[in-house]
Amino acid sequence: QKEVEQDPGPLSVPEGAIVSLNCTYSNSAFQYFMWYRQYSRKGPELLMYTYSSGNKEDGRFTAQVDKSSKYISLFIRDSQPSDSATYLCAMSVQLGSNYKLTFGKGTLLTVNP
Amino acid sequence: EPEVTQTPSHQVTQMGQEVILRCVPISNHLYFYWYRQILGQKVEFLVSFYNNEISEKSEIFDDQFSVERPDGSNFTLKIRSTKLEDSAMYFCASSESGVGQGRGEAYEQYFGPGTRLTVT
Repeated sequence: QKEVEQDPGPLSVPEGAIVSLNCTYSNSAFQYFMWYRQYSRKGPELLMYTYSSGNKEDGRFTAQVDKSSKYISLFIRDSQPSDSATYLCAMSVQLGSNYKLTFGKGTLLTVNP
Repeated sequence: EPEVTQTPSHQVTQMGQEVILRCVPISNHLYFYWYRQILGQKVEFLVSFYNNEISEKSEIFDDQFSVERPDGSNFTLKIRSTKLEDSAMYFCASSESGVGQGRGEAYEQYFGPGTRLTVT
């Protein structure tokens, strides 16, 4: 079983739709959960960060973590064409005093005007 | 807004040649990382670096790879003898602190734009 699984999509939605992106994981040692956005041929850009179960909201974005189910989600409300990108979930365990990120494969999202 | 920068943006090299990829992390950050992304695949951790030494490295980071912080601003990844399978995007990242230190947000990793390495 892969450590982090993410449906690669592609996902295509109309402008204004609510988007739900999901990842599952198998390593119960993961403590920190992140969502990155990556535009084509660019570096990942941090969107959201959380380390506890529950919801965290930032503008149109909501990150949700369910550690008991080993499942995380990112919701995008009122999606815009500029949200079109690949969304990567990433997770980490503590590793001494710093940590490495384990990424999902990414979901390619297209928001159509 | 501070950002991680990387040079060059694209490097083409012949198999067997040495390459050095350069990164300038965010200035107050103390933890540095290299990741790579082969086309169409996941972003993969290579190595983390703190206090002038490697903290952790992955199985990918074998003897042909090395990292260095030659001065107060640059962080480099050297590949001694490149192979075709080293062709990938290489991302540098940095964070202000490590897990368990400082604010929760302080150990968020910020990525540079990447160097595309093509080995022919």
